[in-house]
Amino acid sequence: EAQVTQNPRYLITVTGKKLTVTCSQNMNHEYMSWYRQDPGLGLRQIYYSMNVEVTDKGDVPEGYKVSRKEKRNFPLILESPSPNQTSLYFCASRVWGGGTTDTQYFGPGTRLTVL
Amino acid sequence: AQSVSQHNHHVILSEAASLELGCNYSYGGTVNLFWYVQYPGQHLQLLLKYFSGDPLVKGIKGFEAEFIKSKFSFNLRKPSVQWSDTAEYFCAVNALGGGYQKVTFGTGTKLQVIP
Repeated sequence: EAQVTQNPRYLITVTGKKLTVTCSQNMNHEYMSWYRQDPGLGLRQIYYSMNVEVTDKGDVPEGYKVSRKEKRNFPLILESPSPNQTSLYFCASRVWGGGTTDTQYFGPGTRLTVL
Repeated sequence: AQSVSQHNHHVILSEAASLELGCNYSYGGTVNLFWYVQYPGQHLQLLLKYFSGDPLVKGIKGFEAEFIKSKFSFNLRKPSVQWSDTAEYFCAVNALGGGYQKVTFGTGTKLQVIP
């Protein structure tokens, strides 16, 4: 089954304690991205990756890092989390190159609370 | 830069009522357009998408959307809503020409259908 998986699904942490949210897809997609969803703001892109070792900033990259060492994995790293990073995070993958096959597949989400 | 506006933040309808959710984008060039649905506690799922051709697009679950280029609009419609359509709906735009890197989402419209 084609899917995007994220772990953990729920996480409560404290300010400053480094954390990683993993994302994995089994569709061999080149393009992957991270979004955060906040009430009234919709989804905002944090980072995206067009292929292995190719990443770039989205609209709200401050306080986040990513890496893309393998095609299937795209972890999101918060080196020093702060309360304003409390949010719902979604990973997505997508066929690179657009065209009529262009569809993003979203993971189930990770609800992060930073105290 | 592209942007997306969804003017209806919260819509309440009775079952069997007709639905129209507004979506306007700002970008002068060619775009791909999407509507996603997020049921409570779930991730985003693609409802429908427009790339080219017939501006009236039919999606899953009886939804359709019409692309009106002159109005920069891509409104979502359904002739008769059901209680199970209660969800949050997001319009999204991918501006072509600048590559396929970025999909910009609107802030979402929460639909509540009353039995």
